[in-house]
This record gives sequence, C-alpha cells and structure tokens, in this order.
Amino acid sequence: GAVVSQHPSRVICKSGTSVKIECRSLDFQATTMFWYRQFPKQSLMLMATSNEGSKATYEQGVEKDKFLINHASLTLSTLTVTSAHPEDSSFYICSAPGRGETNYGYTFGSGTRLTVV
Amino acid sequence: AQSVAQPEDQVNVAEGNPLTVKCTYSVSGNPYLFWYVQYPNRGLQFLLKYITGDNLVKGSYGFEAEFNKSQTSFHLKKPSALVSDSALYFCAVRDEVYNFNKFYFGSGTKLNVKP
Repeated sequence: GAVVSQHPSRVICKSGTSVKIECRSLDFQATTMFWYRQFPKQSLMLMATSNEGSKATYEQGVEKDKFLINHASLTLSTLTVTSAHPEDSSFYICSAPGRGETNYGYTFGSGTRLTVV
Repeated sequence: AQSVAQPEDQVNVAEGNPLTVKCTYSVSGNPYLFWYVQYPNRGLQFLLKYITGDNLVKGSYGFEAEFNKSQTSFHLKKPSALVSDSALYFCAVRDEVYNFNKFYFGSGTKLNVKP
C-alpha cells in the first residue's frame, strides 16, 4: 500500500518550453503532496506543498510563476515547469504522507530527471 | 530550528563487514526521525523510523538504527554489508513543533560496499 507514481521518469525539453510532471497516489487519497528538487550529489530541497482544492504553499525563494503546482484531485498533483531554462535541469521528486509502515513519514515517487537543452 | 547532520559524505566498507552511517539531530520537541535510501535516478525508499518506544529500531533489508537521546544521534547500522546496499542514504527529521508536514533532510551519505 501507499504507492506514489510519478511520470515521466525522464524528460528532455528545449529552452522556453513547458514541462508537466504528474504525481499520483495509487491506492490512497492524499490531500497534501510535496515537491522536492534535488541537485546532483546534494540533498532534497522542498519546493512547495501541494494542497488539494487550494493554492500551493511555496518555500522561500521558489518562483511561483515558474513552478506551477496544481492539486486538482485527491490522487493527483502536477508540477509544471514553465519557460524552462537549462538551470532548471534537475531531479524532481514528489511525495505524500505515508501510510502503514511509513506512517508519520513520506512515501516518495520515483522521481523525474528533467534536462533542458 | 529542526535539523539533521550527516557528517560523512561517503562511507566505504567491505562486503560482510558491519556498517554505520552517522546522523545527529537538533529539534525542538520530540524527535520524529527517519532513514531513507536512494538508488541512482530513483526516489527515496523508506528504511525505518523512530517515533517513540525502544531505542533500537529495526527496519527494511536488515538495517537498524539506534536512537540516543543524550548524544542526539540516530545512526544507521547493519551487521553485515552487501554490495547491493551501495546507495545514497538520507537521515530526516519531521518538524513536530511548527509544521508537521515539513521534513528536514540531511545532506546524504554515499555508502560504497566493495566486494
């Protein structure tokens, strides 16, 4: 139980285009999901908290207009990187509050490697 | 503020030997502590957690961690390392006081297990 599916796993896009990353909770409902960014050989940086039915909460320094988050249903949150630039290339990971053995913790998606060329 | 520190960027150990990956924490309130493992180009997988109870916590894949309140540590251990344990390990603490949804991750420790 408590599986989070993230898609796509890899994406390459041209500078100036937008890319959408999906995060789905497969066997449970998640009113809250979290989006992280991870640079090579570095830890995870929380970008924003996605809230079902309301606006996302962004961490300080994260551009709301560049990283659009939508949590339209209890099982789906999306992150859209708008007008992507090479510096947006990174590994993006979503997560949701855990269930079962991961209770009190997070269940993570498998991540999306974004490369902007 | 809540934080965790992983003092070692990398730990090298021979297969079959015991391994330890270190983590210390600083929290206000009760510590909710976690260990996660990350394989290349993958998300994080839950290994174990300490919320309350026994100081020695057993988790997935034969890993365990010891909560030490006096030393504010939560070191990850395994009696006999496998080559397949080679991965990136993250210690994390959940913010019990200000924002229960917020996790603070350590910088990660790369574990290399040599055959």
